[in-house]
Amino acid sequence: QSVLTQPPSASGTPGQTVTVSCSGSGSNIGSNSVYWYQHLPGAAPKLLIYRSNRRPSGVPDRFSGSKSGTSASLAISGLRSEDEADYYCAAWDDSGHNYVFGTGTMVTVL
Amino acid sequence: QVQLQESGPGLVKPSETLSLTCNVSGESIINKYWSWIRQPPGKGLEWVGCIYISGKTDYNPSLKGRVTISVDTSKNQLSLQLRSVTAADTAVYYCARDPGTIFGMVNYFDYWGQGRLVTVSS
Repeated sequence: QSVLTQPPSASGTPGQTVTVSCSGSGSNIGSNSVYWYQHLPGAAPKLLIYRSNRRPSGVPDRFSGSKSGTSASLAISGLRSEDEADYYCAAWDDSGHNYVFGTGTMVTVL
Repeated sequence: QVQLQESGPGLVKPSETLSLTCNVSGESIINKYWSWIRQPPGKGLEWVGCIYISGKTDYNPSLKGRVTISVDTSKNQLSLQLRSVTAADTAVYYCARDPGTIFGMVNYFDYWGQGRLVTVSS
């Protein structure tokens, strides 16, 4: 099972801000960068955030990431219908010498 | 534009070997790091392993002993072999690029293939 824990679901209405949390430990989030991916059904995952809070070119600034201690979060502001997807956090885990993904959060736009 | 495309059998019998290939275009495979990632039906993403610029490999400890990742530089292809498969290995398998340099991996994936569903069943 994953060592990074996320809530199974999150939801909001258009225009609202939704926050997805990711809880880890000292061997992963506590000592390494966190990455966030958006995964739409039938598509390849897409990198949203790297090095905990940086956005690749082309990713809207509505998406923002933060990290504190052994936890991280992804905020989606100005929620849109096209943001409905699964979101995964990820990090390198030093103790397991393993790249780990979070359990995933399904974001629903009401 | 970097593009990745997985190919290989969509059905593998239990106890046999799963073999997939990832064709890379738009980038020389020797310049970056490459990983395989899978997603079982209804479940989350799981890192399978990676191959470094140096040719060194790293594997998910839960799969160690059954998995081999290699590259064919002449074909600019990445390969995955997973031995002694069971139904638990049924998943969509993705290949992905880590855009690190000779100084090291950056530990994120910026280009992904579309994925290949492999079902393990007799």
